[in-house]
Amino acid sequence: AQSVTQLDSQVPVFEEAPVELRCNYSSSVSVYLFWYVQYPNQGLQLLLKYLSGSTLVKGINGFEAEFKKSETSFHLTKPSAHMSDAAEYFCAVSEGGFKTIFGAGTRLFVIA
Amino acid sequence: NAGVMQNPRHLVRRRGQEARLRCSPMKGHSHVYWYRQLPEEGLKFMVYLQKENIIDESGMPKERFSAEFPKEGPSILRIQQVVRGDSAAYFCASSQAGQSSYNSPLHFGNGTRLTVT
Repeated sequence: AQSVTQLDSQVPVFEEAPVELRCNYSSSVSVYLFWYVQYPNQGLQLLLKYLSGSTLVKGINGFEAEFKKSETSFHLTKPSAHMSDAAEYFCAVSEGGFKTIFGAGTRLFVIA
Repeated sequence: NAGVMQNPRHLVRRRGQEARLRCSPMKGHSHVYWYRQLPEEGLKFMVYLQKENIIDESGMPKERFSAEFPKEGPSILRIQQVVRGDSAAYFCASSQAGQSSYNSPLHFGNGTRLTVT
């Protein structure tokens, strides 16, 4: 069965410092991987997705993620944090079936 | 170009009452998913529906919970005889095709926050 582990429930970073949010998954088959962002009192918005091809995926707002099959990881990074990046971030995995499985989320705090 | 619309945004119910949560998918989307979000737990899949069909309800509690997506009108998530443990944010998502189509990510509504007193 597929599962997603987000290793940090909270990540504080200083403004303009680099960001890394970690995500590991488990699955016995090929997967599609996603990162979503949730701002307060809103639904989730898709940041980026890995379906196939290049393992480095670029998303919106300057975020990118690298799929590392050998490490079963899909960490989200950004070179320089902005105050507007403060939100909750969810890693998700789908085996191409009907369900997308979400991690527990990582709350990103940006410190001025 | 309306996105996924959920209403109400906030719903307060006393124990034992019924809660009805509505979701209108994005225009052109015929696949609807319901998720429940509890603090510190992320989103838990509940049910996947297409028009007039429940495709996968493996995440739905066996009792008191039901979902429908009629030919006309929004999808409804119904919780009968609510209990305090039902308090959560319920999110609806839609997609243009089933998740088996890789190019069909989920589009989420802003959720309904249910509080059971």
